[in-house]
Amino acid sequence: ETVLTQSPAILSLSPGESATLSCRASQDIRTYLAWYQQKPGQAPRLLISDASNRAAGIPARFSGSGSGTEFTLTISSLEPEDFAVYYCQQRYNWPPWTFGQGTKVEIK
Amino acid sequence: EVQLLESGGTLVQPGGSLRLSCAASGFTFSDYAMSWVRQAPGKGLEWVSGISGSGISTNYAGSLERRFTISRDNSRNMVYLQMNNLRAEDTAVYYCAKDLIRGGSHPDYFHYWGQGTLVTVSS
Repeated sequence: ETVLTQSPAILSLSPGESATLSCRASQDIRTYLAWYQQKPGQAPRLLISDASNRAAGIPARFSGSGSGTEFTLTISSLEPEDFAVYYCQQRYNWPPWTFGQGTKVEIK
Repeated sequence: EVQLLESGGTLVQPGGSLRLSCAASGFTFSDYAMSWVRQAPGKGLEWVSGISGSGISTNYAGSLERRFTISRDNSRNMVYLQMNNLRAEDTAVYYCAKDLIRGGSHPDYFHYWGQGTLVTVSS
């Protein structure tokens, strides 16, 4: 099973600041990684697929990068609606399809 | 517009059974693999099971120990999760999710999600 480890667990930032979230895979997953956003009481929303492809309707301030075992989600300038929990997920080594444990981006 | 609507979640005793349903609309249902993903209270996301568009291929999380069965009815645009011998650790919101990639024989990324249905296993 491919374990995804996200860091940090909590990121405290102010609106307008840039956020950098990390996801490390326990083995090579090439670029087969997605990022999701989840707000309280809501279902997750797909942001990024294949490490760097923004899903339809996702603002350009969200960007993804990385390959192999190291991945990054960057939010260039945090908007109030961006404060949420973010998960990474891999689809290269399966089953199972695995998620990271999440990074909470909270208002400082 | 893609819509996924789960139902069937409720309070059930340990050892009991439950069948979750997911009604899909807004896309060519048989073209997409579907999955169930769960989230225990206050915890992260866990993929549970997936099924190909044709229904021929299924996959499960190893931790389930073959207690769950996924199926689909492409004539009704429905996907199901039969859960048997339920345990307290199965307590979670269960989401139905549609794949991103059309035509895949297995899950990939989860593009659309339902709002979830809560399963509580407790005596």
